Amino acid sequence: GDSVTQMEGPVTLSEEAFLTINCTYTATGYPSLFWYVQYPGEGLQLLLKATKADDKGSNKGFEATYRKETTSFHLEKGSVQVSDSAVYFCALYPGDKIIFGKGTRLHILP
Amino acid sequence: EAGVVQSPRYKIIEKKQPVAFWCNPISGHNTLYWYRQNLGQGPELLIRYENEEAVDDSQLPKDRFSAERLKGVDSTLKIQPAELGDSAVYLCASTIYGTQNTGELFFGEGSRLTVL
Repeated sequence: GDSVTQMEGPVTLSEEAFLTINCTYTATGYPSLFWYVQYPGEGLQLLLKATKADDKGSNKGFEATYRKETTSFHLEKGSVQVSDSAVYFCALYPGDKIIFGKGTRLHILP
Repeated sequence: EAGVVQSPRYKIIEKKQPVAFWCNPISGHNTLYWYRQNLGQGPELLIRYENEEAVDDSQLPKDRFSAERLKGVDSTLKIQPAELGDSAVYLCASTIYGTQNTGELFFGEGSRLTVL
């Protein structure tokens, strides 16, 4: 069945460091791909999305490119901030429900 | 625009007791989801509604869990009786299902259940 695999955390970085969180997926069709973020004490919220191959989603300095050939949707940010500390979930939408990865906890040190 | 509202935010009960969670989706959203998020895991779908109809309840443990969505708006998720393994955060989400839908779900803050 459809599934998402993302790198395990926690990931700890210093402020202004470069961030990559790897995500790969398995799907029979052509799903939409998402990154959701959960800040401490808050609900899940959409960070960015891509609906077809080679699309790049971007928001708040984060980017991810839908790579069909490698079935990947890695999350990147060039310079992280303390406020980026959160749990990040890669997810796919095959057409009826969102399927989430296990999440990656990110800690940014000042 | 008001977001998805869930209550209660926190609930602590003893095992074998019943518990209910309530969700009010974003106005106009015809599709409603209940997800369960165990500690350190991603959310997992329990049930999906399109209007009043439960169109996917394959992951709902029907021996103790039940859900309803009266009039296609608010929804209630019930557990009776609760077990220790039910401790989790129960998330409600809503969206508009249709040709323009790209799968973006709007989540509530969740209801954290602790079963003692």
